[in-house]
Amino acid sequence: EIVMTQSPATLSVSPGERATLSCKASQSIRSNLAWYQQKPGQASRLLIYAASTRAADIPARFSGSGSGTEFSLTISSLQSEDFAVYFCQQYTDWPRTFGQGTKLEIK
Amino acid sequence: QVQLQESGPGLVKPSQTLSLTCTVSGGSINTGGYYWSWIRQHPGKGLEWIGYISYSGSTYYNPSLQSRVTISSDTSKNQFSLKLTSVTAADTAVYYCASESTTVDYWGQGTLVTVSS
Repeated sequence: EIVMTQSPATLSVSPGERATLSCKASQSIRSNLAWYQQKPGQASRLLIYAASTRAADIPARFSGSGSGTEFSLTISSLQSEDFAVYFCQQYTDWPRTFGQGTKLEIK
Repeated sequence: QVQLQESGPGLVKPSQTLSLTCTVSGGSINTGGYYWSWIRQHPGKGLEWIGYISYSGSTYYNPSLQSRVTISSDTSKNQFSLKLTSVTAADTAVYYCASESTTVDYWGQGTLVTVSS
């Protein structure tokens, strides 16, 4: 199966600053990568698909980039509601696999 | 908007069978092109994709769990279910049901299942 590796495990950033999260695949997944946001007690939500396309109703401060094996998610100006856990997922192959997650916390 | 809600016992004894049901609203599990999936998250860990049942009733399971997993559906109730046999403490996790096209488009809120005697 394709192994997804996220870094860092925890990222401390101040509100209003930029955050960049990394995700690497163990083999090429072309652009078949999604990013999700997870908050306690809430359903997770899809942020980005096809590596760089924002899902419906996702603010423009969220952007994704990359292809092949290296990807990133950037949040340009952090709002209080953005502090959460973020997962990447490949959908090139079955079984689908996720990264271990990056916890974005308030500095 | 599709909404999903997991239900089932929060505590299962070792060696027994874990059974969960997902009730879907705002959409039909017969809708073409969709997969109805189960995903789990061990405490403090990442997400593990368990398997799916498609709108046509076909299934696919994660090879790591394939020998113990069954996913089925009840279209009359717009529900799908997960059975995981011979559970151990390693199966303690939050279990999510989800709707997938290519990506996971909608998630349930998750239900914690603890395996303990």
